[in-house]
Amino acid sequence: DGGITQSPKYLFRKEGQNVTLSCEQNLNHDAMYWYRQDPGQGLRLIYYSQIVNDFQKGDIAEGYSVSREKKESFPLTVTSAQKNPTAFYLCASSIFPTGGLTEAFFGQGTRLTVV
Amino acid sequence: AQTVTQSQPEMSVQEAETVTLSCTYDTSESDYYLFWYKQPPSRQMILVIRQEAYKQQNATENRFSVNFQKAAKSFSLKISDSQLGDAAMYFCALPGEGSRLTFGEGTQLTVNP
Repeated sequence: DGGITQSPKYLFRKEGQNVTLSCEQNLNHDAMYWYRQDPGQGLRLIYYSQIVNDFQKGDIAEGYSVSREKKESFPLTVTSAQKNPTAFYLCASSIFPTGGLTEAFFGQGTRLTVV
Repeated sequence: AQTVTQSQPEMSVQEAETVTLSCTYDTSESDYYLFWYKQPPSRQMILVIRQEAYKQQNATENRFSVNFQKAAKSFSLKISDSQLGDAAMYFCALPGEGSRLTFGEGTQLTVNP
């Protein structure tokens, strides 16, 4: 079955550590996105990528980094510079990089907690 | 910059009745799409319905329909014959550059038996 897989489902980070969240899709989608969701709030865009080896900052990119070495994969690293990383992280992909002609498909999310 | 506003943080409805969730937005584009997503307790985001701005006719998907008022920049979601499984957080979303979605704050819908 085609879809988006995020791992792990739950992740715990100690203060000062970097952690990487995995996102893999087999939908052959060009564009991929990372969103952050805090309790009672909507989703905010961290980074997005329209094509391999290229990505752009979203609204809240500080303290995060990404790479897009393969079309299928778009990992997100939460660095120690992110002061409040505890949140729910959602990865998404869409078939067209522009125009919004199709909806974004989402993974099941990763819950990151700082301990 | 695009904005999406959902002014109802919480709504409740009795099973089998109808409820309407509100959404207003702002964009400088003349042709665009609008989406409603549902996020149940599993937290999986599910597309409920989409509307193309150049289409006059309001979109309908089974029990879900929209009231799209382009001049007023309003995009409300009507759920008819509400079911217990409709209980979820609902988000209105507007695509922008690179199809990046701008989301509203969400409306938590409770369905009472």
